[in-house]
Amino acid sequence: RKEVEQDPGPFNVPEGATVAFNCTYSNSASQSFFWYRQDCRKEPKLLMSVYSSGNEDGRFTAQLNRASQYISLLIRDSKLSDSATYLCAAYNQAGTALIFGKGTTLSVSS
Amino acid sequence: DAGVIQSPRHEVTEMGQEVTLRCKPISGHDYLFWYRQTMMRGLELLIYFNNNVPIDDSGMPEDRFSAKMPNASFSTLKIQPSEPRDSAVYFCASIPTSGSYNEQFFGPGTRLTVL
Repeated sequence: RKEVEQDPGPFNVPEGATVAFNCTYSNSASQSFFWYRQDCRKEPKLLMSVYSSGNEDGRFTAQLNRASQYISLLIRDSKLSDSATYLCAAYNQAGTALIFGKGTTLSVSS
Repeated sequence: DAGVIQSPRHEVTEMGQEVTLRCKPISGHDYLFWYRQTMMRGLELLIYFNNNVPIDDSGMPEDRFSAKMPNASFSTLKIQPSEPRDSAVYFCASIPTSGSYNEQFFGPGTRLTVL
C-alpha cells in the first residue's frame, strides 16, 4: 500500500457544485495532514492543514478520520478558479518529511 | 520576503550530459527537500537535509543522482549522466524546523527535458 493515495479523477463539475475528494494514508502515527493546491505548471501551495478532526476555511472543509485513516476535502459552491490539482500530504514515519499523493484534478466549468 | 529560489527554471539537455539544479531555501529554514514530479509517479521525495546534513536519500533513484548542501543557503541536485527518463519537474522545498505541524514551502521548480 502506498503511503498516501488519492483518486486521480478528473472531477468535472459545474459552477456552484459541491465536490469532495478523499485521500488515504498508511502511517497511523501521522499527526497532521495537508491539502495543497497546484495550478498547471506551478508549484504546490498550501490550501489547508488538518491537525485534529477537521478544519474549515470559507468554502473549503477538510476532515480527518483516524479510525479509517483517510482525510477528505470538501469544496462548496465551486468556482471556475477552483480548477486545479489538489494534493494530499502526510508526514513520513520519522515525522520529518511530507509524502504526497499523486493528486486529484478538478475542472469546474460554466 | 523571498521564498525558495530555484535555478534554472527550464533546462533542456541531451542524453549523457551532466545537469545541475540549484536551490536557495528560505533564510532560517533548517530543512531542505528535493522532490521530482512526473505525470506517472506524482510528486516523489528524493532526498532531504537538516542543517546541511543529508538525512534520508532513499528516494534518490540511482547513483546517477547526487545532492549536496555545502551551506545553509545553497543546495544542488546533480544528474550525471542524464537520461530521457529523468525528464520531470524538480522542486525544492524548505521548512523552518522539524515537527509535524510545519507547512513546506516550495520553490517554482526546474522543468528538465532530456532529449
